Amino acid sequence: DGGITQSPKYLFRKEGQNVTLSCEQNLNHDAMYWYRQDPGQGLRLIYYSQIVNDFQKGDIAEGYSVSREKKESFPLTVTSAQKNPTAFYLCASSSPGQVQDTQYFGPGTRLTVL
Amino acid sequence: DQQVKQNSPSLSVQEGRISILNCDYTNSMFDYFLWYKKYPAEGPTFLISISSIKDKNEDGRFTVFLNKSAKHLSLHIVPSQPGDSAVYFCAASGTYKYIFGTGTRLKVLA
Repeated sequence: DGGITQSPKYLFRKEGQNVTLSCEQNLNHDAMYWYRQDPGQGLRLIYYSQIVNDFQKGDIAEGYSVSREKKESFPLTVTSAQKNPTAFYLCASSSPGQVQDTQYFGPGTRLTVL
Repeated sequence: DQQVKQNSPSLSVQEGRISILNCDYTNSMFDYFLWYKKYPAEGPTFLISISSIKDKNEDGRFTVFLNKSAKHLSLHIVPSQPGDSAVYFCAASGTYKYIFGTGTRLKVLA
């Protein structure tokens, strides 16, 4: 079955720690995206990557970092510089990264900073 | 500045009736629009999309209408079913990025 997986489902972090969220897809999609959802708000774009070894900042990239070493994987690191990291994080992918290609989402990771 | 707006945070509809969810946008460069359905603690599920060259797209019980002059799109669900109860997000794209609305929570009453 093709799809997007995110792990873990729930993640707890102490203040001051970096944490990495996993996103893997076996859809052979070129483009991958990270979004953040907060209560009462829409999805906001953190980073996106249209091709391996290339990525761009989205609207709220501060305090986050990504890598795209493999087509299937797009991990997101939430650094200690992110002032309000508690949120629901969603990964998406699309192919072949054209303007009118639909993005498909993973199940999400809820990050809570203690 | 919110480029995509869903002004109704919630909507309740009787089972079997029509649900109409609305979305307004401000950027005339958007040329692709989508609707997603989302349950709590899950990722959004793609429902239906429409290109700016069309004014209507249908898929089963779901129809999306686009009024470019008014910069308005709507999602019609007919007939509404209790399983349709979820949060619905509209999204607009004119580049590689989507801009999402804040969502409308639909409750279908049995």
